[in-house]
Amino acid sequence: KNEVEQSPQNLTAQEGEFITINCSYSVGISALHWLQQHPGGGIVSLFMLSSGKKKHGRLIATINIQEKHSSLHITASHPRDSAVYICAVLFGNEKLTFGTGTRLTIIP
Amino acid sequence: GAGVSQSPSNKVTEKGKDVELRCDPISGHTALYWYRQSLGQGLEFLIYFQGNSAPDKSGLPSDRFSAERTGGSVSTLTIQRTQQEDSAVYLCASSPDRGSYGYTFGSGTRLTVV
Repeated sequence: KNEVEQSPQNLTAQEGEFITINCSYSVGISALHWLQQHPGGGIVSLFMLSSGKKKHGRLIATINIQEKHSSLHITASHPRDSAVYICAVLFGNEKLTFGTGTRLTIIP
Repeated sequence: GAGVSQSPSNKVTEKGKDVELRCDPISGHTALYWYRQSLGQGLEFLIYFQGNSAPDKSGLPSDRFSAERTGGSVSTLTIQRTQQEDSAVYLCASSPDRGSYGYTFGSGTRLTVV
């Protein structure tokens, strides 16, 4: 069965802290997305990865194909980073399979 | 357009009525997807269109749900005889081709069935 697991489900941190959100999946994939959803807002695709590492501003996403694991890191976290972060995986068919999301709250 | 456009952004309807939700994908994107996010739950796949191929309807929850895509562009998701459990945010996404490169979500339609 194609499964996607995220951890933690909820994360609260102080402003400035380094944040890591993890995503594991069950079988080989063709691509992995990290998505962001602010409260009451739409979904934004932050990264699409098939290997290695990508960086955009304070956000870094890595993927280890052999270990079937990806991480999303946020450096120097800020209250505006508070959102739900969702890992979504393409298992080789055309439909994304979504993790349950991580609710991140950054306290000033 | 520059992004995936969905309309309406909010829709309140009475139980038993039919609703139509519209998605206008990014120009040139051949793949179009509908997803649903129910309150307190994750995202679930509904239906997928790829070019002129028959759509993948495997995620549609019941025969009250249908979708079409005209001319390989705009898509309409129709829910007949709406029920309260249909209340959710309905998201549309498009991508240039099979796979996920350039995958872009619309801002969604929030449907409330009262």
